[in-house]
Amino acid sequence: GNSVTQMEGPVTLSEEAFLTINCTYTATGYPSLFWYVQYPGEGLQLLLKATKADDKGSNKGFEATYRKETTSFHLEKGSVQVSDSAVYFCALPGGSYNQGGKLIFGQGTELSVKP
Amino acid sequence: DGGITQSPKYLFRKEGQNVTLSCEQNLNHDAMYWYRQDPGQGLRLIYYSQIVNDFQKGDIAEGYSVSREKKESFPLTVTSAQKNPTAFYLCASSIGSFKASRVYNEQFFGPGTRLTVL
Repeated sequence: GNSVTQMEGPVTLSEEAFLTINCTYTATGYPSLFWYVQYPGEGLQLLLKATKADDKGSNKGFEATYRKETTSFHLEKGSVQVSDSAVYFCALPGGSYNQGGKLIFGQGTELSVKP
Repeated sequence: DGGITQSPKYLFRKEGQNVTLSCEQNLNHDAMYWYRQDPGQGLRLIYYSQIVNDFQKGDIAEGYSVSREKKESFPLTVTSAQKNPTAFYLCASSIGSFKASRVYNEQFFGPGTRLTVL
């Protein structure tokens, strides 16, 4: 089945630093890829997505490009803010088309941004 | 506003008791999901339902049960058979793979219920 691996945290950065959170995947075909964000004590929110190879998803200054050559979907932001402190999850569909639309999530990467 | 609601936000249970977590959505989504999240870990799928009156086990279904009598509702019961139920429980919904083209639609999450066994 499909799987996803993302870099371990926690990641601690100073405000305005550059952020990269690595995500690589193993999948059959070319599934959609997602980044979700979870703020403390809350549910997950979709941050961005890409539906085909070479697509770039972007939202709130975050970007990720669907790279089929390297099977990667790394999350980047040029200048982080304290308000970006959260846990970030990479995700992709769990398997074949008819498997209920399940998503497989990475372990999550905790980001802490210091003023 | 459309969205997913979960109640209660915090829930305390004594050992040996069953407890039911509520999940309601008004997004007209066909598919609904229950995940469990433990500290420092990712999400693990408990049960999912693609359509009313039908549901399937996920990766960690033992000690849990669900029902899907209405499209809007997907309650989760944590039974006394669940050995370590203390966790954060998240409900999600999506349009559903039946309606998606070749592209999976994203899942929308509720705010979660934190269950603690005393």
